Amino acid sequence: EIVMTQSPDTLSVSPGERATLSCRASQSVSSNLAWYQQKPGQAPRLLIYGASTRATGIPARFSGSGSETEFTLTISSLQPEDFAVYYCQQYNTWPQLFGQGTRLEIK
Amino acid sequence: QVQLVESGGGVVQPGRSLRLSCAASGFTFRTFAMHWVRQGPGKGLEWVAVISYDGINKYYADSVRGRFTISRDNSNSTLFLQMNSLRAEDAAVYYCARIYGGNYKGYFDFWGQGSLVTVSS
Repeated sequence: EIVMTQSPDTLSVSPGERATLSCRASQSVSSNLAWYQQKPGQAPRLLIYGASTRATGIPARFSGSGSETEFTLTISSLQPEDFAVYYCQQYNTWPQLFGQGTRLEIK
Repeated sequence: QVQLVESGGGVVQPGRSLRLSCAASGFTFRTFAMHWVRQGPGKGLEWVAVISYDGINKYYADSVRGRFTISRDNSNSTLFLQMNSLRAEDAAVYYCARIYGGNYKGYFDFWGQGSLVTVSS
């Protein structure tokens, strides 16, 4: 199975600044990668699919990049509502596993 | 609009059983494979099981295979998860979720709000 590793585990950033989250796959997943945002007490919400396509209703400050084994989620100017946990998920190969998550906290 | 509403969670003793339900609406349920994903307290997301659109094919995570059974009732647009021989490590919020396009494999575009299962004596 493909192991997904996210870094860092916790990222402290000030509002208005840029946040860069990483996700690494243990083998190539092509561009079959999604990002989700999860706030406390809520279900995950799809942000990005196909490594770089924003889901419906997702603000343009969220962008995804990468392919094969290295992926990045960038939030260009952090808003208060962006502080949450972010997960990547590969869907190239069964089973489609998630990364362990990156907690984005207010600095 | 798409809605997935789980129910059936609660407190159960180790070794006992529990059945979760997920009522779907706002889309053609019978054409979509459906999944269960769980999240232990303070932990990440763990895929649990998937069932094909017609209920014929079912796949499970190693951690639950042989103890959990996924099923569906397309006439009532409802997904189920029968959980037997529950263990402390099965304690989690259980989400039903669908994959965009209805296939087994893909990204999850809609999730339920979750149903909390607590396993404790």
